[in-house]
Amino acid sequence: QVQLVESGGGVVQPGGSLRLSCAASGFTFGRNGMHWVRQAPGKGLEWVALIWFDGSKTYYTDSVKGRFTISRDNSKNTLYLQMNSLRDEDTAVYYCARLTDWWIDSWGQGTLVTVSS
Amino acid sequence: QTVVTQEPPFSVSPGGTVTFTCGLSSGSVSPSHYPSWYQQTPGQAPRTLIYNTNTRSSGVPDRFSGSILGNKAALTITGVQAADESDYYCVLYMGSGIWVFGGGTKLTVL
Repeated sequence: QVQLVESGGGVVQPGGSLRLSCAASGFTFGRNGMHWVRQAPGKGLEWVALIWFDGSKTYYTDSVKGRFTISRDNSKNTLYLQMNSLRDEDTAVYYCARLTDWWIDSWGQGTLVTVSS
Repeated sequence: QTVVTQEPPFSVSPGGTVTFTCGLSSGSVSPSHYPSWYQQTPGQAPRTLIYNTNTRSSGVPDRFSGSILGNKAALTITGVQAADESDYYCVLYMGSGIWVFGGGTKLTVL
């Protein structure tokens, strides 16, 4: 059974940094690309970033380019999202999600990031 | 940047049929966008319903179906139940490693 568990959320001041983690189990982590998807309070889902199964390629939505870095450690079955220069508009629940072929098939429960002074 | 469009909120009676669509602000949706659909109730993580245009995810009842209708992807729910009251999101693969979600459609079951 696929399980994705996010952690690392919290309250951070504007301009600050935070690193999110997503612990994966129930599948061979190193065989799947992984996404981060976020959802601001009362808003819809927004795709944030993707990393290939081997970490060789990464992609970002325009609003986080240069500020966020997606990475993974396949030996630890863990996905990361390093978030720097955080802004109010980055406040959201952040979900990690598994990519299978060209679609998301599994989601974590999410971790809340609040950017506020 | 291309916008993925979904309808405003929908209302349907129990037992009815509803079809949501997922379009592009410029151009047509095709199977090469690998359209997929997700259901989300308040406070919960999304649940995958349909992927690769029309493949139901494991455990999803056959009341849910996906297709391409004209120039849009579509999600149809037949025999709507109270438990189907949720937000529904589509996502399209835009190429070059980029995915874009639609704004979602809220379904109310009256």
